[in-house]
Amino acid sequence: DVKVTQSSRYLVKRTGEKVFLECVQDMDHENMFWYRQDPGLGLRLIYFSYDVKMKEKGDIPEGYSVSREKKERFSLILESASTNQTSMYLCASRSGQRALRGQFFGPGTRLTVL
Amino acid sequence: DQQVKQNSPSLSVQEGRISILNCDYTNSMFDYFLWYKKYPAEGPTFLISISSIKDKNEDGRFTVFLNKSAKHLSLHIVPSQPGDSAVYFCAASGSGGGADGLTFGKGTHLIIQP
Repeated sequence: DVKVTQSSRYLVKRTGEKVFLECVQDMDHENMFWYRQDPGLGLRLIYFSYDVKMKEKGDIPEGYSVSREKKERFSLILESASTNQTSMYLCASRSGQRALRGQFFGPGTRLTVL
Repeated sequence: DQQVKQNSPSLSVQEGRISILNCDYTNSMFDYFLWYKKYPAEGPTFLISISSIKDKNEDGRFTVFLNKSAKHLSLHIVPSQPGDSAVYFCAASGSGGGADGLTFGKGTHLIIQP
């Protein structure tokens, strides 16, 4: 089974801090994604990557950046955390060849920015 | 503008009966449709998917129906079980099969009553 792990389940940070959220997958998937989930808004795509060192903006990239230095690891960076970035952050990965199997999600990181 | 819509925030169904979750979309370029199930404090898990060239896909108790002309899909769960209580997200992707991320609806909270 695919395993997607995220470095923290819960995180509390202060406004203005730089925040790193780490995601690792163990199935050699080409594609990796970062979403945030907010009540009443569903999941929204922040950034995605289809290869090492490649990144593409999703629907809501403002205030975020990403890094993919190794195939298995995809990091989400909040350069200067703000209270409106309090959310559940979900990482996902997907094989490039198996569209109908969907994306595999990690357990999520609940980030609170005070 | 929301491209994937789940108009029912919640749905209550008696155990053993059929649960029908609905989803509408506006983007005719979507090629793949997926359903995810999410429990609190966990990442979404893939449930079932359908390609736009089909109108039905079945997997055990779960069946997804696609009506392309109406831009509507539905998930049927028969019979409904207590463990089916969760939030269900409808998602769609373009011809890349989700390599560029998924577009999610806001979710429907399914409650199975004993």
